[in-house]
Amino acid sequence: EADIYQTPRYLVIGTGKKITLECSQTMGHDKMYWYQQDPGMELHLIHYSYGVNSTEKGDLSSESTVSRIRTEHFPLTLESARPSHTSQYLCASSESPTPNTGELFFGEGSRLTVL
Amino acid sequence: AQKVTQAQTEISVVEKEDVTLDCVYETRDTTYYLFWYKQPPSGELVFLIRRNSFDEQNEISGRYSWNFQKSTSSFNFTITASQVVDSAVYFCALSDFGGGGADGLTFGKGTHLIIQP
Repeated sequence: EADIYQTPRYLVIGTGKKITLECSQTMGHDKMYWYQQDPGMELHLIHYSYGVNSTEKGDLSSESTVSRIRTEHFPLTLESARPSHTSQYLCASSESPTPNTGELFFGEGSRLTVL
Repeated sequence: AQKVTQAQTEISVVEKEDVTLDCVYETRDTTYYLFWYKQPPSGELVFLIRRNSFDEQNEISGRYSWNFQKSTSSFNFTITASQVVDSAVYFCALSDFGGGGADGLTFGKGTHLIIQP
C-alpha cells in the first residue's frame, strides 16, 4: 500500500478563487510528480521535482505552480481558478533514479471542479 | 519522442471471458521500461508490472499475463477468466533515457475495461 496522500479529494469552487492541492508522502522519495487527468482519462505530466528546492515543468503547460520545501510535501497551487482547470489531479512519487526505471506510487487524486 | 498508443478506448466482456488489452509504443532508445497500471474507480493508479527492453520473456501472475514483443513494439496485457473486480481503467506507460522530454512516465490514453456479471 502506497503512503502518499492527497487532499482534498473533491473540491468545488468558483472562478477566480485561489486553491492549493496538497500532496504528502511518507516514503522519503526524492522524486515527486503532478499529473493532470482529463475527462477522457488521458494523463499529462504538468510538474515534477527531483528533491527539495527542485521544481520542473512537465510536458503539458499548466497555469498551476508547485513548491518543494520539504521532501515529503509537494503542493500545487492555482492562483485564480477557471473552469478550464476542472480536472482530476494525481500526485505521485518515486525512489528510482532518472529516468524512471521503477514504480511510481500514486495518491488517490484530487478532483477539482471550477464553476 | 516517446509515445504510447492504446487503441482500445473501452472494452466490455462478460465475466469469465478472457480479454487482451493492447499497447503499442514508440521510442528511439534501445533501453527503456514499460509499465502497466490499473486505475479502479477509487482513483489511484496501482502498479501492475514493469519490463525492461532487454527482457522479452512473457510474464504470468495469476490470471494476468503480459506479452512483450520488441519486433512489433507491443506490450499487451491479458486477463484470463475475467472477474467483475477487474473492471477499471488500465494504462500502459513508457520510460526511456532520451527524447528530451520531462522526467516521468509517458502514459497511453487508457483502456476502460468493463466486466459484466
